[in-house]
Amino acid sequence: GAGVSQTPSNKVTEKGKYVELRCDPISGHTALYWYRQSLGQGPEFLIYFQGTGAADDSGLPNDRFFAVRPEGSVSTLKIQRTERGDSAVYLCASSFAQGAGELFFGEGSRLTVL
Amino acid sequence: AQSVTQLGSHVSVSEGALVLLRCNYSSSVPPYLFWYVQYPNQGLQLLLKYTSAATLVKGINGFEAEFKKSETSFHLTKPSAHMSDAAEYFCAVSKGGVEKLTFGTGTRLTIIP
Repeated sequence: GAGVSQTPSNKVTEKGKYVELRCDPISGHTALYWYRQSLGQGPEFLIYFQGTGAADDSGLPNDRFFAVRPEGSVSTLKIQRTERGDSAVYLCASSFAQGAGELFFGEGSRLTVL
Repeated sequence: AQSVTQLGSHVSVSEGALVLLRCNYSSSVPPYLFWYVQYPNQGLQLLLKYTSAATLVKGINGFEAEFKKSETSFHLTKPSAHMSDAAEYFCAVSKGGVEKLTFGTGTRLTIIP
């Protein structure tokens, strides 16, 4: 597709359940980023990939959060044992290369944990 | 560590009036600074960026911002507001590159007809 695609756009789950959020970056973009935006806040950095490897995962809040990008394209953010505080919009972005100067964001996946 | 403060979570201006959205930053190293815009039901879009070249940066849709080191500011301006400018605007800072942007809390801009 032309832009960054994120699925699902909305996810409602119960506390304690496992959730996967998918990001399909712009074709040819080698760098991929995950951010989290809570209500009334700006996006917060979670993790970024350069190719298949996580170059920096210092923003992941705890070990319940994990992300993969096995083939250097699509990425999945995985959240185990979800908590109500995980409710937020999860944003994915990609760029042509590390330090390229512009991130292209998807529309986000809104996660609600009941 | 880097941080940004956006003064005013909501700003309203009349159509045709000057738009001024304020952003102050804190950084231990020379910063890279960005303004992103988020229209309803769309992803964040880069308006403009400062990467240590010219201090006055021009972006899309008639917006510009000036980097003022002495004031640690990077305010966003547009001479004449248009109805289509209604959106949420985020200022962001990084140490260099775009890998770890630190965003402000955003300013919602409303345009009064």
